[in-house]
Amino acid sequence: DAKTTQPPSMDCAEGRAANLPCNHSTISGNEYVYWYRQIHSQGPQYIIHGLKNNETNEMASLIITEDRKSSTLILPHATLRDTAVYYCIVRVAHGSGNTGKLIFGQGTTLQVKP
Amino acid sequence: ETGVTQTPRHLVMGMTNKKSLKCEQHLGHNAMYWYKQSAKKPLELMFVYNFKEQTENNSVPSRFSPECPNSSHLFLHLHTLQPEDSALYLCASSQDRTHQETQYFGPGTRLLVL
Repeated sequence: DAKTTQPPSMDCAEGRAANLPCNHSTISGNEYVYWYRQIHSQGPQYIIHGLKNNETNEMASLIITEDRKSSTLILPHATLRDTAVYYCIVRVAHGSGNTGKLIFGQGTTLQVKP
Repeated sequence: ETGVTQTPRHLVMGMTNKKSLKCEQHLGHNAMYWYKQSAKKPLELMFVYNFKEQTENNSVPSRFSPECPNSSHLFLHLHTLQPEDSALYLCASSQDRTHQETQYFGPGTRLLVL
């Protein structure tokens, strides 16, 4: 799987949008971009994933650049409960014979402040 | 609540003890995983089971012994552990290879080896 680069930490004011960047310059054409987050001492929580189109769900939006070498996770109105470590992961799509290998890096620690 | 439960949530054991961690998923998934998360380190994949068959063992020491009696249950049997095995042990599950295999994690078992 391709490697990703994320800033180690970010701050965000409560109620404002949190924009978390991720670089994945070596991503292959069949690799998806996944985002998970981990609130302290809990299991990772799936947020969103995408291939090349922008995606939105009830939790967040995912913006993927046209060349797919980077992406941004957007939490539109951050709350204190969004304080967590956010992981950007690229992985091959289904059908590749690779049964669900997620390789977690260090992620970005997002601190939402009042 | 992700549909993946783990018991116990906390465990303290001596190096000569034998204990087991249990994971159960209520999502109808066919793949299950064990991860280890040591302090200030990324999650490390330990084992992967697909349709009850072990498909991956990431060079895990034999003092960790997984068991998958059916697609809904996964165990991690522990014996003669070392203090450096103290960590958060996370279970995850995903659907089979015909889907995009988003993994859903349980809350983890916090293990302390004395």
